[in-house]
Amino acid sequence: QVQLVQSGTEVKKPGASVKVSCKASGYTFSSYGISWVRQAPGQGFEWIGWISALNTNTNYPQKLQGRVTMSTDTSTNTAYLELRNLRSDDTAVYYCARDEVLLGIYFDYWGQGTLITVSS
Amino acid sequence: EIVLTQSPDTLSLSPGEGATLSCRANQRLSNNYLAWYQQIPGQAPRLLIYGASSRTTDIPDRFSGSGSGTDFTLTISRLEPEDFAVYYCQQYESSSRLTFGGGTKVEIK
Repeated sequence: QVQLVQSGTEVKKPGASVKVSCKASGYTFSSYGISWVRQAPGQGFEWIGWISALNTNTNYPQKLQGRVTMSTDTSTNTAYLELRNLRSDDTAVYYCARDEVLLGIYFDYWGQGTLITVSS
Repeated sequence: EIVLTQSPDTLSLSPGEGATLSCRANQRLSNNYLAWYQQIPGQAPRLLIYGASSRTTDIPDRFSGSGSGTDFTLTISRLEPEDFAVYYCQQYESSSRLTFGGGTKVEIK
């Protein structure tokens, strides 16, 4: 069965960087993309970008460009999210989710989420 | 940016009753590229509907999606205990900027 397993909770100080992993199994990794979505405490969802596991094309919302980098490692079927220059409003649960291979659309399988807390 | 507004914020219903959830877009979704998700507190979301009306595998047929253009609806015909959750719509008409609605909580009356 399709599974996305994410790395564990992180606590970071403002200005630091964080890198979250998302290991996929149960499907052909390079036939899909991965989107990342975050949910601040008690809030709704914010899409923070997409990467194709086929060709590593990416699409980031303008709001986060310059602070976010997504990557994949097809040898381990793992996707990564790096977020730099962290701010307190980056505090959220970050989810990876399986998406289409050529562009971001909707998300049919989700990871369990990774809580990132940014606090001095 | 396509903004999605969900209503109501909260629906208080009893098991066995039907639920109607609304999602309105501030721009026309010409391809009806709208999805619905269910989130139980403490869990990751689950995809229910894509393309406004197509149910994903393993989703019970008491869930149905409808609508077009700017107005979309998720209907739950008879609420089961496991259906009490928060529901979100999401548009993918603009693939460069995917957006979600604010959610509707379906709670037990």
